[in-house]
Amino acid sequence: GAVVSQHPSRVICKSGTSVKIECRSLDFQATTMFWYRQFPKQSLMLMATSNEGSKATYEQGVEKDKFLINHASLTLSTLTVTSAHPEDSSFYICSAQGRDYGYTFGSGTRLTVV
Amino acid sequence: AQTVTQSQPEMSVQEAETVTLSCTYDTSESDYYLFWYKQPPSRQMILVIRQEAYKQQNATENRFSVNFQKAAKSFSLKISDSQLGDAAMYFCAYRSLMEYGNKLVFGAGTILRVKS
Repeated sequence: GAVVSQHPSRVICKSGTSVKIECRSLDFQATTMFWYRQFPKQSLMLMATSNEGSKATYEQGVEKDKFLINHASLTLSTLTVTSAHPEDSSFYICSAQGRDYGYTFGSGTRLTVV
Repeated sequence: AQTVTQSQPEMSVQEAETVTLSCTYDTSESDYYLFWYKQPPSRQMILVIRQEAYKQQNATENRFSVNFQKAAKSFSLKISDSQLGDAAMYFCAYRSLMEYGNKLVFGAGTILRVKS
């Protein structure tokens, strides 16, 4: 079945630095990529939607200059958290939508900013 | 905008018993998809079942089945013969066929505990 590889699974960074999270669709073309943020025991909060070759569409309240999303190819999308602060610590999940309109989720990235 | 409501923050079920998780949604659209996702402690999202709104027949996947009541905008998940591996957080989700991007709208989730 469809697989999305998300890396890293865990990352600890210092406050003020930037962190890049990658999501790769391994056996299908991801026409659309969704990025979510999830706090413990809470639901997934959509941050942004990106289509290959286009600028991402951010949800209301999400800082686009802080959370940079790149979807340069049909198999790779990245989320860069710039100038990270402790409040950015969270679990980030990507979800890729292929041409069959199914959704495949990455395994998530636990970001801790110290 | 569409909303999805899961009114049960937590549920418990005895192993081998049956449990039903509730989900209601609000939409003015007539055609859409509904999903149930499972998120175990690993936090990997796993598709449990999917229902197309135009299909009257309730979807079934092995021990998992749904009760889709379109007029009532209700989409409950029944888990039969519960197993320890069913313990997870379950999310109900809605997908419009009209909105650009086809994003999923998730409910708040229900934590399911399975007792041995």
